[in-house]
Amino acid sequence: EAQVTQNPRYLITVTGKKLTVTCSQNMNHEYMSWYRQDPGLGLRQIYYSMNVEVTDKGDVPEGYKVSRKEKRNFPLILESPSPNQTSLYFCASSLQELSTDTQYFGPGTRLTVL
Amino acid sequence: SQKIEQNSEALNIQEGKTATLTCNYTNYSPAYLQWYRQDPGRGPVFLLLIRENEKEKRKERLKVTFDTTLKQSLFHITASQPADSATYLCALRNNAGNMLTFGGGTRLMVKP
Repeated sequence: EAQVTQNPRYLITVTGKKLTVTCSQNMNHEYMSWYRQDPGLGLRQIYYSMNVEVTDKGDVPEGYKVSRKEKRNFPLILESPSPNQTSLYFCASSLQELSTDTQYFGPGTRLTVL
Repeated sequence: SQKIEQNSEALNIQEGKTATLTCNYTNYSPAYLQWYRQDPGRGPVFLLLIRENEKEKRKERLKVTFDTTLKQSLFHITASQPADSATYLCALRNNAGNMLTFGGGTRLMVKP
């Protein structure tokens, strides 16, 4: 089944404890991105990647890192999480650099930073 | 500044009626605009894409219009059903740039 998977789905952590949220897609998509969704602010893009080893900042990249060493994986790293990073995170992928392709979203990761 | 605005108030309609949702934007030159459906606790699901040179697009009970003069897209669901209840998001990609920017979404409630 074609899908985008994220792990973990739920995470409660404490300020300053490094964490990684994994994202994997099995559709051989070139384009992958991370969003966070907050009430009243909608979906905001954190980082995106147009292909392996190519990443770029979105609207809200501060406090986040990403890497794209393989086509299928695009992990989101929070080196020192803070409470303002409590949010619902979505990974998404599409065949190519957006163009007219559908973006497929993962199921989301709900992160709470205490 | 750039803005994508969707009505933040929920839209309540009766089953069988046509639901019309609005997406307005300012200071964008969109290459295209997309509409997504999002159910609680789930990721958005793509519904329709309309390009800047297209006026209207249809898919089953869905219809999207795109007026680049008014800087507005309308999303219609005809013969609405309770199963259509969800939040609907519009997103657009600027002609310059590689990002897709989303509106805040409008929640639709279809009552039986």
